[in-house]
Amino acid sequence: DAEITQSPRHKITETGRQVTLACHQTWNHNNMFWYRQDLGHGLRLIHYSYGVHDTNKGEVSDGYSVSRSNTEDLPLTLESAASSQTSVYFCASSVGGTSGYEQYFGPGTRLTVT
Amino acid sequence: EDKVVQSPLSLVVHEGDTVTLNCSYEVTNFRSLLWYKQEKKAPTFLFMLTSSGIEKKSGRLSSILDKKELFSILNITATQTGDSAVYLCAVEGSGWTGNQFYFGTGTSLTVIP
Repeated sequence: DAEITQSPRHKITETGRQVTLACHQTWNHNNMFWYRQDLGHGLRLIHYSYGVHDTNKGEVSDGYSVSRSNTEDLPLTLESAASSQTSVYFCASSVGGTSGYEQYFGPGTRLTVT
Repeated sequence: EDKVVQSPLSLVVHEGDTVTLNCSYEVTNFRSLLWYKQEKKAPTFLFMLTSSGIEKKSGRLSSILDKKELFSILNITATQTGDSAVYLCAVEGSGWTGNQFYFGTGTSLTVIP
C-alpha cells in the first residue's frame, strides 16, 4: 500500500545544530508539504513543493529549508536549530494539479531543541 | 491577514448527542475548504468543499460550505466515543507565491459514554 513516512519519529537536539527531518511518500504525488503544529497555533505551513526542483515558502519558513531532488522525498532542514523550533512536524502530500485536493499526512516527528 | 477561526475550542457531549462544529475564514482567493480529524496522530481527511450549499455526507458526518458568509459547519449525529478527536478546518487560498493552506486551531471534541 502507498504511504507517507517520516523519520526520525522523535529527535532531541541542541541549539545551533543543523537537523534534517526526512519525508518519503510512495503515492507518486507531485505536491509535498511541511507543517509544524504547536498548541494554540494549529498547523502552520513551512514549505511546500509542487514537483521536482520546485520549492516555495509557506507562512513560517524562516530558519527552515527544503529541496526536492525526486518525487518521493522532501527533506526539511533546520539550519541552526532554535528552542522556538521545538514542535511536532508533519509532512503531507497530495496528487497535485488544480485546487481542491486532499492531503495525506505522515505520522509526524516530535522535535525538541534544548 | 489570512485566517481560519474554529469554534468552539472544545466541546464535551454524551454519546448519542448531535454536534455542530464551526469554521469561519478570511482567505485571499479561496479555492477549497477541507475538514480533518486528528486523534493522537496525523490528521486524516474527512471532506473537501469547493461549492456553496452542496452538502457532503459520510455516514454520521456531514458538512456544508457558505462562500458568501465565509463559513462551513461540520455536523456529527448520534455521536460515539470513537468520534472523540480534534477536528481541523483548513482553507486553501491562492496568492502570488502559489497556493497556501491555512489551518484553524481545531475543535477538541470529547464524547462521554
